[in-house]
Amino acid sequence: SAVISQKPSRDICQRGTSLTIQCQVDSQVTMMFWYRQQPGQSLTLIATANQGSEATYESGFVIDKFPISRPNLTFSTLTVSNMSPEDSSIYLCSVETFGPYYTFGSGTRLTVV
Amino acid sequence: DQQVKQNSPSLSVQEGRISILNCDYTNSMFDYFLWYKKYPAEGPTFLISISSIKDKNEDGRFTVFLNKSAKHLSLHIVPSQPGDSAVYFCAARGDSKLTFGKGITLSVRP
Repeated sequence: SAVISQKPSRDICQRGTSLTIQCQVDSQVTMMFWYRQQPGQSLTLIATANQGSEATYESGFVIDKFPISRPNLTFSTLTVSNMSPEDSSIYLCSVETFGPYYTFGSGTRLTVV
Repeated sequence: DQQVKQNSPSLSVQEGRISILNCDYTNSMFDYFLWYKKYPAEGPTFLISISSIKDKNEDGRFTVFLNKSAKHLSLHIVPSQPGDSAVYFCAARGDSKLTFGKGITLSVRP
């Protein structure tokens, strides 16, 4: 299975600022996924990122708020823009490998104050 | 609309006994079902999966059962161990994307 390194592991940010989360995979993967887990809730898919094309966003999520980059087959970033306290969540990246088998990063715990 | 439901938020069992975690879904187009285990401050860890064309898959102490007619699956852990205490998520795959339930917190008492 793939190994994912996700940074930062946690951050406390001021409202109105932006935070960029990075995910590095130890092998080339076609699809990378970004999820959000709000307190006490399930994991909700934000978007799917394919290399060389625009990310595909799920209902309720927009590119202006959550811009995503996917410059190559092993790396992706998610930016949480113009943050408010409602953005306080755990953000996770994930990749699909053979199986189907989905591996997750360790998550970024974001607190907006 | 919640397509994957884990209706019980928590479960407590005695060490050595069986843990049964349930999951219901509404979308008949899901082709795979997966169970993940999550500890605080860590990402979800894959446990076991089952294809929609199967009704049972076993891996060591973990067995997943799928009842397609009832749109229901369950994860059995036998015997349960204190180290199994964690949050367990049921997930279903459709269009190469996973949809998750809300999770169930399993506590295994020594």
